[in-house]
Amino acid sequence: GDSVTQMEGPVTLSEEACLTINCTYTATGYPSLFWYVQYPGEGLQLLLKATKADDKGSNKGFEATYRKETTSFHLEKGSVQVSDSAVYFCALSDLGQGAQKLVFGQGTRLTINP
Amino acid sequence: DVKVTQSSRYLVKRTGEKVFLECVQDMDHENMFWYRQDPGLGLRLIYFSYDVKMKEKGDIPEGYSVSREKKERFSLILESASTNQTSMYLCASRRPGTGGSGANVLTFGAGSRLTVL
Repeated sequence: GDSVTQMEGPVTLSEEACLTINCTYTATGYPSLFWYVQYPGEGLQLLLKATKADDKGSNKGFEATYRKETTSFHLEKGSVQVSDSAVYFCALSDLGQGAQKLVFGQGTRLTINP
Repeated sequence: DVKVTQSSRYLVKRTGEKVFLECVQDMDHENMFWYRQDPGLGLRLIYFSYDVKMKEKGDIPEGYSVSREKKERFSLILESASTNQTSMYLCASRRPGTGGSGANVLTFGAGSRLTVL
C-alpha cells in the first residue's frame, strides 16, 4: 500500500538556520502531496501542497517540490524563526486508490532556539 | 474558513466505560475522518465517512465505531474503553474532488486528548 517516510526527529536548530525535512513516498497511482503543520496545543493545518510532478508548493517561506523521479517532497526553508517550532507531517492522497484517504508520515518535531 | 469543532479537549475515563467523541464541521463538507495520533506513529486513520450514514473502516478500526446521522456531525465511539486507547484523537473534514485550491484538503479540529485509567 501507499506509504510516507519522513526524516527522523526531533530536529533542533538555531534561529535563521536553513531547514530541510526529508520526505519520500511510495504510491501506486499519481498522488497529491502535502505538508501539514501542528503548532503546540493545536490540530493540524495545511502548510502547502503539490498535485503533480515538478509542482512547487510554497507558504510562509516554506517550499517543497514534487519530485517524481526520486519520489520525494522535501520541505525547505532558508531562514527559520522561533515561531516555526512545531511538528511537521508529510502526507499523500492517492486518488488512483479510489478511497482518497490521506496517508501520513510519522511527523518531525522541529524546535528553533533563539 | 472551515471550522471543525471537537467538543472535548481533554477527557479522563475508566477502563470499560463507553466514550463518545463528538465532531462538528460548519462548511457542508461531505467527507469526515477520525484519526488517532501517537508519538512516533504519526496519524492513523480509524474511520472515515464519505457522506451521511456512510462509513468505512480505516487502518485501525478495532475497538471503535462511528456514527454520522447528520452531515455536519461525525461521532467516534469507544464501546468499552481500554488503556491502549489513551491517545490524541483528531477529527477532520474535507471537500472531495480535484477542482479549486480547497479541494482534497483536510481541515482538522484541535484534537481530543483521551486518557483511560
